[in-house]
Amino acid sequence: RKEVEQDPGPFNVPEGATVAFNCTYSNSASQSFFWYRQDCRKEPKLLMSVYSSGNEDGRFTAQLNRASQYISLLIRDSKLSDSATYLCVVKNSSASKIIFGSGTRLSIRP
Amino acid sequence: DTGVSQDPRHKITKRGQNVTFRCDPISEHNRLYWYRQTLGQGPEFLTYFQNEAQLEKSRLLSDRFSAERPKGSFSTLEIQRTEQGDSAMYLCASSLAGTGSFNEKLFFGSGTQLSVL
Repeated sequence: RKEVEQDPGPFNVPEGATVAFNCTYSNSASQSFFWYRQDCRKEPKLLMSVYSSGNEDGRFTAQLNRASQYISLLIRDSKLSDSATYLCVVKNSSASKIIFGSGTRLSIRP
Repeated sequence: DTGVSQDPRHKITKRGQNVTFRCDPISEHNRLYWYRQTLGQGPEFLTYFQNEAQLEKSRLLSDRFSAERPKGSFSTLEIQRTEQGDSAMYLCASSLAGTGSFNEKLFFGSGTQLSVL
């Protein structure tokens, strides 16, 4: 079983729609969670960290469910510029490696 | 530009040859990571360093792969006797991580695209 699993998509939604992705992780002891964004042919960049109580950054909301071992990302009022691959990222402890999921592709259509 | 830099950007080699890639992290960053990424997949962890110490190496990595970070600054990744399956984007990332730091932000370089013919 992969350590971090994501639905590869693609998700194809109209501009202005709300879209949500989930990600599951296998290690119940995982401590830190992140969402990265990767544009086509570019390097990944941090979108946001995911905190236990959930957190919001503008149109983006991240949630963590430790009991079910999943993380979610919600994008409201989607823009054309949100088209990208969204990578779920997990870190098991302060001294451990950082593990990426395979990514979920999002395409926003006009 | 004071970001993470990788060299070369592209490398084409014949099967069986050795290749070496270089990564220069952000200067004050103490951790350096190597990942490999193929089309449609997320970055796959290869190895990482804290200063000059290599703390972890992926079990999926064969003995043909070796990485160094001799003075805790730049790093090199060498692949010996390359195979066609080694063709991928090799990404380097660095971070500033303190003891007990969970909120570790990675900064990536633009990667080295390797093609093995």
